Amino acid sequence: DIQMTQSPSSVSASVGDRVTITCRASQGIGSWLAWYQQKPGKAPEFLIYAASSSQSGVPSRFSGSGSGTDFTLTISSLQPEDVATYYCQQVNSFPLTFGGGTKVEIK
Amino acid sequence: EVQLVESGGGLVQPGGSLRLSCAASGFIFSNYEMNWVRQAPGKGLEWVSYISSGGTTIYYADSVKGRFTISRDNAKNSLYLQMNSLRAEDTAVYYCARDPPTGTAHFDYWGQGTLVTVSS
Repeated sequence: DIQMTQSPSSVSASVGDRVTITCRASQGIGSWLAWYQQKPGKAPEFLIYAASSSQSGVPSRFSGSGSGTDFTLTISSLQPEDVATYYCQQVNSFPLTFGGGTKVEIK
Repeated sequence: EVQLVESGGGLVQPGGSLRLSCAASGFIFSNYEMNWVRQAPGKGLEWVSYISSGGTTIYYADSVKGRFTISRDNAKNSLYLQMNSLRAEDTAVYYCARDPPTGTAHFDYWGQGTLVTVSS
């Protein structure tokens, strides 16, 4: 199985700050990576697919990059509504696996 | 508007069974691959099972293999998860999630979830 490791597990930043979350796969997965946002008490919501692609409706401050084993989700200017836990997911092969999550808070 | 609505959760004793349903609307259900994902209280996301659009290809997480069965009824726009031999560690919110037919294998819409509690 492919293990997904996220870091940090939590981050506290000020409004307007740039926030970077890292996700590492235990083996190469090409660009087969998705990112999700889960706000407290809510279902997850899709942010990024194919490591760096987003669809309409996702704020442009969210971007993804990377390939192979190392991936990054960047929030270019943190907003109060971005308080949430973020998960990466490898979709390269079954069993599909998620990272442990990164909790983003406002300082 | 795309909607996925789960139902069927509840309290069940260890060793018991439960059948979850996911009612889909707002899109052509038969075109989409579907998944179940669960989240134990205070924990992260765990993928549970996948079913292809036609129902011919199915995968399970090792943690549920042999105990859970995924199925779908495209005529009824519904996804199911039959859960048998339930254990305390199966306690979680269960989400159904849609996988679009774009070949990119991501979950673009999720239901609101249904809570399954396994306890005596």
